[in-house]
Amino acid sequence: QSALTQPASVSGSPGQSITISCTGTSSDVGGYDYVSWYQQHPGKAPKLMIYDVSIRPSGVSNRFSGSKSGNTASLTISGLQAEDEADYYCSSYTSSSTWVFGGGTKLTVL
Amino acid sequence: EVQLVESGGGLVQPGGSLRLSCAASGFTFSSYSMNWVRQAPGKGLEWVSYITSSSTTIYYADSVKGRFTISRDNAKNSLYLQMNSLRAEDTAVYYCAREPSGFYIDYWGQGTLVTVSS
Repeated sequence: QSALTQPASVSGSPGQSITISCTGTSSDVGGYDYVSWYQQHPGKAPKLMIYDVSIRPSGVSNRFSGSKSGNTASLTISGLQAEDEADYYCSSYTSSSTWVFGGGTKLTVL
Repeated sequence: EVQLVESGGGLVQPGGSLRLSCAASGFTFSSYSMNWVRQAPGKGLEWVSYITSSSTTIYYADSVKGRFTISRDNAKNSLYLQMNSLRAEDTAVYYCAREPSGFYIDYWGQGTLVTVSS
């Protein structure tokens, strides 16, 4: 199972919005509404930010939103804040009954 | 408070074995599916294995199939990963992760580092 494709890095200034893409195939992202997104700060465990494409868990800021079109899912962060600087990973359920993660995107808040 | 605490990591020679444990607390462990996910140093996340609440269904990533075995003991609120025939590319932080009734992980442990080197 190949990893989902994410940009290696994105950046934005405080207050701006950024979008991170996550591209897979019809056997994973495109085939199921089971895409999730995780935030990971250096040396820390990942944290769930979005699940089932666009659902935000309790306690996650509404500045985070998710969507999907075809084989590509997206995570949008609006009103960027310094604490949003982290690595972000997408994940999807696959037709093999397994999981696949994206390669990760490093978000820099300028 | 949900807590997942991994243990058992360490330095092992190529070809060796190691058994990871994950102690769960703060929730009804027997009601949840669980996963192991790993992260090589400086690299991204890689899903390793999945087990349902009653151990009836188990899946593995192709990279570990035939070498790793996931198991659980609901009476002890514990998840395990038996790792055999270890390779240098298995070097990673291994996370224990809870999966609620859906295809995502809602809680992660802090991880345990496995280093495979001679």
